[in-house]
Amino acid sequence: QQPVQSPQAVILREGEDAVINCSSSKALYSVHWYRQKHGEAPVFLMILLKGGEQKGHEKISASFNEKKQQSSLYLTASQLSYSGTYFCGTISGTGKLIFGQGTTLQVKP
Amino acid sequence: GAVVSQHPSWVICKSGTSVKIECRSLDFQATTMFWYRQFPKQSLMLMATSNEGSKATYEQGVEKDKFLINHASLTLSTLTVTSAHPEDSSFYICSAVAGAGTDTQYFGPGTRLTVL
Repeated sequence: QQPVQSPQAVILREGEDAVINCSSSKALYSVHWYRQKHGEAPVFLMILLKGGEQKGHEKISASFNEKKQQSSLYLTASQLSYSGTYFCGTISGTGKLIFGQGTTLQVKP
Repeated sequence: GAVVSQHPSWVICKSGTSVKIECRSLDFQATTMFWYRQFPKQSLMLMATSNEGSKATYEQGVEKDKFLINHASLTLSTLTVTSAHPEDSSFYICSAVAGAGTDTQYFGPGTRLTVL
């Protein structure tokens, strides 16, 4: 079952912060985050494996609440290069990566 | 590390022809590769799981006779779109899992298929 992302779209000014949420109706064992630029393939950002785990990648970090079956991606002091579509992905029982519908982030100067 | 390539990056073909897309893991061996399709402004939809040395596993609604997948070696999987039609026009992306004990997928750069 496809995880649900919110919001669908975000517009920011450079330097502002944003949060993208990902939730699932099924138990989560891991959450994957990717960023995709227009016309390109998704780029792996990070994977969170344990409940309560937090990770960071430059000024992008994420948390994973296994109990609530949700993960959040935090973008701090956003840069123009952060623009793109962010996807969370969850692993199904058969080991397949199922992507959320995506959140489009636009960072303006 | 964990580089995946695809060829071609784009292709335009006439309706009724077949198109082959290659996916290669350049610096690792991938026992499992995945094929996705993405329509404009939509998410990636898994088409099939490609396993080296065995038949591919197709997702519900994906015609296995139309989308032929061959995983010839630990570094190469191919997707052939047979008798392509305009509705098959899409962005096709492959991914590979880098090594045992991990489920992180690394994606190829994608192939944009346009069927006239």
